[in-house]
This record gives sequence, structure tokens and C-alpha cells, in this order.
Amino acid sequence: AQSVSQHNHHVILSEAASLELGCNYSYGGTVNLFWYVQYPGQHLQLLLKYFSGDPLVKGIKGFEAEFIKSKFSFNLRKPSVQWSDTAEYFCAVLPGQNFVFGPGTRLSVLP
Amino acid sequence: DAGVTQSPTHLIKTRGQQVTLRCSPKSGHDTVSWYQQALGQGPQFIFQYYEEEERQRGNFPDRFSGHQFPNYSSELNVNALLLGDSALYLCASSSTGLGVLFGGYTFGSGTRLTVV
Repeated sequence: AQSVSQHNHHVILSEAASLELGCNYSYGGTVNLFWYVQYPGQHLQLLLKYFSGDPLVKGIKGFEAEFIKSKFSFNLRKPSVQWSDTAEYFCAVLPGQNFVFGPGTRLSVLP
Repeated sequence: DAGVTQSPTHLIKTRGQQVTLRCSPKSGHDTVSWYQQALGQGPQFIFQYYEEEERQRGNFPDRFSGHQFPNYSSELNVNALLLGDSALYLCASSSTGLGVLFGGYTFGSGTRLTVV
């Protein structure tokens, strides 16, 4: 069965610090990988997605992610976080028409 | 604006009761999926509806059932509620013709169900 793991349950950073959130997946077929963000009280929003081509994917709000096939990883990065990045971040795979999500990483950015 | 509308936003029910949650998909989408997001966890797929039929189902008991209407809106029904059913229930819509990668997959803000 497909599964997604995320390395950290809760990450606390100061503004301007760099961010890297880990994601590993277990899936034998062609992978389509996603990062979603959920701000408090809001709907899940797509940050970025990878399904082919350049393994370094750029998304919205300055986020990027790198697909490393040999490591089954799709880590999310941002060079300098802002207080407004405080949210829950979910890595997900799309094996068919519906998602398998990781457990999420809560990011708290201190002003 | 998410484009997907869910109602109600919050709901409190008693153990053993039944509940119905509603979802209107984004304009242009014909497929509706439901997810359960327990506190501190990622969303888990419940089932998907297309052409008024359940097309795919996750690992959820038969107490969870659904329906899709001709206008593509959908309902999620949960019978014999348990305390463990307390969660945020998310609806998502997509277009089967375009597929998720090209047509998009839009989530609603969810219904927060509390079972007491």
C-alpha cells in the first residue's frame, strides 16, 4: 500500500530562517507528488506538484521542492520563512485519482 | 474563495446519531471526493463519486455512505456515530475528463464534526 511519512511533527523557526521539511513516500508506480498547506481555519491549498521533468519544482510563495527518486523523497524548502508561513504542511502522493497524505508538519514561525 | 462549498461548518452530534454533510463542487468539476482529517493527522480518503455512483472507496466502514446528485453536489452520511468519528471532513472536487494533474483538485474548508 502507498504511504507517506513526514520527518517532523512540529517545527519552530524564527523569521528569516531557512526551512526544509522532509517527506518520504512508499509507492512502486509512477509518482505524482504534491505539497499542500493548510492555514488555520482555511482550506488545503496547493503549494507545488511534481509529475515529470525537472526534479526541482518551484511553487507559490517562494517554496520549492526536490524530487530524489533514489531516496523516495520530496523535501520542501524555503530560503527565508515569514511569520505568515505559520501553518500545517502536508506531503501527498497521487497514485490514482485520489490522494494519500502524510501526517503533516506543523510549522510555527516566531516573529 | 475555495470554489468548493461545504455545509455546515461546525456540527455537534451525540453518539449513536446520524449526520449528513453537504458539498457543492467547484464550477466545471463533476467528481467529488470525501476525506476525514482527525486532529493532528493528514486527511484520509473515504470515497469518491462520479456520475452519481461511488467509484472508489477507502478503508472506511459501511456506516459511511454517500450520494451524488445530478448537479454534481454530494452528501456524506455517517450512521451510528462513534466518538472516534470526531474530525474535520473535507470535500474535494475535480474533473474526471481533465484528470487531477491538468484539471486541478480543489478542497473545501471542511465541516468540523464533534461527537459527544
